[in-house]
Order: sequence, then structure tokens, then C-alpha cells
Amino acid sequence: DQQVKQNSPSLSVQEGRISILNCDYTNSMFDYFLWYKKYPAEGPTFLISISSIKDKNEDGRFTVFLNKSAKHLSLHIVPSQPGDSAVYFCAASIISGYALNFGKGTSLLVTP
Amino acid sequence: GAVVSQHPSRVICKSGTSVKIECRSLDFQATTMFWYRQFPKQSLMLMATSNEGSKATYEQGVEKDKFLINHASLTLSTLTVTSAHPEDSSFYICSARGEAVVQQFFGPGTRLTVL
Repeated sequence: DQQVKQNSPSLSVQEGRISILNCDYTNSMFDYFLWYKKYPAEGPTFLISISSIKDKNEDGRFTVFLNKSAKHLSLHIVPSQPGDSAVYFCAASIISGYALNFGKGTSLLVTP
Repeated sequence: GAVVSQHPSRVICKSGTSVKIECRSLDFQATTMFWYRQFPKQSLMLMATSNEGSKATYEQGVEKDKFLINHASLTLSTLTVTSAHPEDSSFYICSARGEAVVQQFFGPGTRLTVL
């Protein structure tokens, strides 16, 4: 049963514009959320995270928003760059357990 | 960030043989290591969690006798796929986590192809 869902398998955005990647979860016990970036045939690379006590975390061009009541989080990339083209995975964890539950990923393509 | 390596990066084997994949944390002590599997166009699926010096905890549906995990030290975990079959062909990724840290650092993955 998929507890973390990324309903958009792909997204195409023009360079310089904002990319918004969405993620929904079903388990209300999740209290830590992460975004990973993955290139083909490579392991995921950590991008940004947020704990359930916050609703926003920003790191340079990347901002993650968390709406606990809606069990929804999103990753904003602005401005988008061609090098951002990759698959982005949303992951959630119950801190005490530490195991990560991943969504299926969203493939982002940033076009020049 | 911390570095996690995997070896081999790619392996092709015949059906019925066993394959061992190593996962090493190069610059930190990994109290917990995780093994994931990713089929094409699918998500990363957790197979098992292992803590150094103790038996691995397997996720539902993962055969512990087929996927042997050994976490013998704080820097090394191995996954052995025993009697591999074509349906075991997948991308296997390990991750490692230090003590009292949620973030996991991932290895580059191992592409297993069973003929």
C-alpha cells in the first residue's frame, strides 16, 4: 500500500520559471519529510527536508511547503535550470523508525 | 555530505547463481543500513533494515532466505541474492544512516541482470 503518493509522473517547465512538485501522504504518523533528486543509474541525492513542526523550509532555490491538515507537501524550485532535470522523490519517515517511505517519483524536465 | 559506496555497480549472472552486493559507508559510522530495490518506472521499495551486529528486519513480502543481509561492521553491509532468477533483475540501492540522524545517504546502486 503506497503511503506516499506523487500523482504526477512527469512535469515539463521552461528555464527560469517555477517548478512545483507535489506529494501526498496517508500516514498521519509521519513526522519528517524529505525530497531526493535522482539521475538514471545513480542513487538518490538528498535535496531538502522538513519536520512536521514546520510548514516551510527554504534552501536557496528550493523551498518545501508542508500542509499537515491536507497531508500534502510540495517542492518549489525557482528559478528552474536545465540541470534540475531529474527524477524527484518525496519520502516520509516516522522519526522513531527512520525507515523512509518513497513516492514513485516525478520526472522533471527543464527546457531552455 | 557523507559518502556511501556500492560494489559492484553492475552485475550479470546466470539463473540459479548467487550474487553478493557490498555497501560501505566511507566517512562515517553507519549504525543502520537500508536496502532498497527499484523496478523500472517504480518507486524505491524498502527491502530490509539492518543494524550493526543484529539480524536484519525484512519488509513484508521480502524473502529473508533469498535476500541474505549481513551488517558485520559499522561501515559494511552485504546483500546476497541467493539462487537468483530473472525476476530478481532490478536496481538495488543501499543507504546508510548514522546514530540519531534521520537523513539517509544513498549509494550509487547496483544493476543486477539475471539471464
